Amino acid sequence: NAGVTQTPKFRVLKTGQSMTLLCAQDMNHEYMYWYRQDPGMGLRLIHYSVGEGTTAKGEVPDGYNVSRLKKQNFLLGLESAAPSQTSVYFCASKKAGTRNDEQFFGPGTRLTVL
Amino acid sequence: QQQVKQSPQSLIVQKGGISIINCAYENTAFDYFPWYQQFPGKGPALLIAIRPDVSEKKEGRFTISFNKSAKQFSLHIMDSQPGDSATYFCAAFNQAGTALIFGKGTTLSVSS
Repeated sequence: NAGVTQTPKFRVLKTGQSMTLLCAQDMNHEYMYWYRQDPGMGLRLIHYSVGEGTTAKGEVPDGYNVSRLKKQNFLLGLESAAPSQTSVYFCASKKAGTRNDEQFFGPGTRLTVL
Repeated sequence: QQQVKQSPQSLIVQKGGISIINCAYENTAFDYFPWYQQFPGKGPALLIAIRPDVSEKKEGRFTISFNKSAKQFSLHIMDSQPGDSATYFCAAFNQAGTALIFGKGTTLSVSS
């Protein structure tokens, strides 16, 4: 049982390049999330999904797109990377139902945009 | 609009001391307030959580105190140890009740 996994672990991009971050979970969770973590800013919600084929915007969605084609996967895309998107990105998942179910996080992806 | 305000941003405590981190929330509709712990290079992990129908929850050295009328809750770490050195986040739900919104975090350093 791997839990939540993220690919890649590290990535360096040049301004304007595009990339996709992959999140996978093997816990059969309905809900999945993408957060970014920056010094002094905490964890900020980018986008989330409450089920296959559905996505919603979080606090800081601009510059990112997401897709949830399969229940176990949640992809985060950067179409034209900017230095402001340099951050550590965390994926998380949670089962649907009561709010007090634990939200499980992946190990993170460290992205640098030059 | 940030829905959870956390303080202090950083905290230094001597070994054996008490660490206290405070959070305040805005939306009175929600009923679940977790704390997450994050070690360097790792993802956050659930530490302890409370529902607003109780005023206190204790798990080992970790205690959450909850003040519903003030819309505040706090994490107390008793007998703080160097292994407790980490970043701590409080959280509450977004308006839709579908995603956790986190405070900005508190970096705790416990000196030996």
